[in-house]
Amino acid sequence: EVQLVESGGGLVQPGRSLRLSCAASGFTFDDYAMHWVRQAPGKGLEWVSGISWNSGSIGYADSVKGRFTISRDNAKNSLYLQMNSLRAEDTALYYCAKEGYCSGGSCYSRWFDPWGQGTLVTVSS
Amino acid sequence: EIVLTQSPATLSLSPGERATLSCRASQSVSSYLAWYQQKPGQAPRLLIYDASNRATGIPARFSGSGSGTDFTLTISSLEPEDFAVYYCQQRSNWPRYTFGQGTKLEIK
Repeated sequence: EVQLVESGGGLVQPGRSLRLSCAASGFTFDDYAMHWVRQAPGKGLEWVSGISWNSGSIGYADSVKGRFTISRDNAKNSLYLQMNSLRAEDTALYYCAKEGYCSGGSCYSRWFDPWGQGTLVTVSS
Repeated sequence: EIVLTQSPATLSLSPGERATLSCRASQSVSSYLAWYQQKPGQAPRLLIYDASNRATGIPARFSGSGSGTDFTLTISSLEPEDFAVYYCQQRSNWPRYTFGQGTKLEIK
């Protein structure tokens, strides 16, 4: 079974740092790009960051550029998000997602499937 | 950046009725659009990819259509478990993705 499990969330003061992790299992991790998507309480989905299979291509939403760093360790089947200079508006449930829906021997690379259950980050003094 | 606009924001219907949800892109995305369903307390789940293809395990009452800038998600006959929030998604320049703001499908 393909599974993604996030961890590392919690309550943190503004200006501080936090590192999120996403443990992957059930698929060949280094075959796929991975992403972080967040959802503020009661709000919609916001793409945060993505990383290619070999870490050669990385991108960030403008809202987090310069503050967040995405990385992965293919040997450990893990995805990370280092979040620095946190702000109240970063408060959200953070999901990791695999980029690539596969069915019947074919894979469609544009879509997110599956998603983890999320880890909650609360930025507050 | 391509903006996705979903309508309506909230749709109130009864079980058995037909639901029609709209997603409009600010510029053409060809057929590269997906729909996700999110139930309370759960992660989003892929429903439809490439505008009209159902993901594995998605009931046939769900269908997607459209291309270019206008897309529709149709649920032919609502079941109680279909009441949720639905998001459309597209990819512009990898790895940048955008989501619509969501349509909440609620029981009337």
